[in-house]
Amino acid sequence: EAAVTQSPRNKVAVTGGKVTLSCNQTNNHNNMYWYRQDTGHGLRLIHYSYGAGSTEKGDIPDGYKASRPSQENFSLILELATPSQTSVYFCASGDAAGGGGTLYFGAGTRLSVL
Amino acid sequence: QQKVQQSPESLIVPEGGMASLNCTFSDRNSQYFWWYRQHSGEGPKALMSIFSNGDKKEGRFTAHLNKASLYVSLHIKDSQPSDSALYFCAASSGSWQLIFGSGTQLTVMP
Repeated sequence: EAAVTQSPRNKVAVTGGKVTLSCNQTNNHNNMYWYRQDTGHGLRLIHYSYGAGSTEKGDIPDGYKASRPSQENFSLILELATPSQTSVYFCASGDAAGGGGTLYFGAGTRLSVL
Repeated sequence: QQKVQQSPESLIVPEGGMASLNCTFSDRNSQYFWWYRQHSGEGPKALMSIFSNGDKKEGRFTAHLNKASLYVSLHIKDSQPSDSALYFCAASSGSWQLIFGSGTQLTVMP
């Protein structure tokens, strides 16, 4: 089965600090995604990528940057973390464009911004 | 922009019972529909997809799609305690984005 690994699993950050969430996939999928999960909102797309070197904005990109330096790695960067960014973040990879393929999710990173 | 709404927010069914989860979507251009399941402390996992109108059965799970009514549902027959999880409906109009609903929390009571 497709493997997506996120690190760290838990993170406590201070307001105004920089936070980097990392994601690695070993399935050679072209597409990678960052979602955040909040009660009552489900999963909301922050950024996604078609392949190495590409990043695109999702539904809620404000306050977040993304980086895809290689096929395997996709990072989410919070340059100036705020308490409103406290959430659970999921990375996913997929092998088909346009929603027709399965997304494989990591186990999530729980971020608390104090 | 696509909106996906799920109901009910939470559902309790007895072991062996039928669980029915509902989902409506707003974009008539939607082409791909998915159900994902998330057990506590884990990431979501794809449960099943449905791309054509009608019913699709996989074991105890049956998905139903009616594009004209902007409606998709999931029925779980002979529910088991291991089916207790958060269930997400998701829809895509063929763009890169897969839009998720807010989820239905299913609890199966032994």
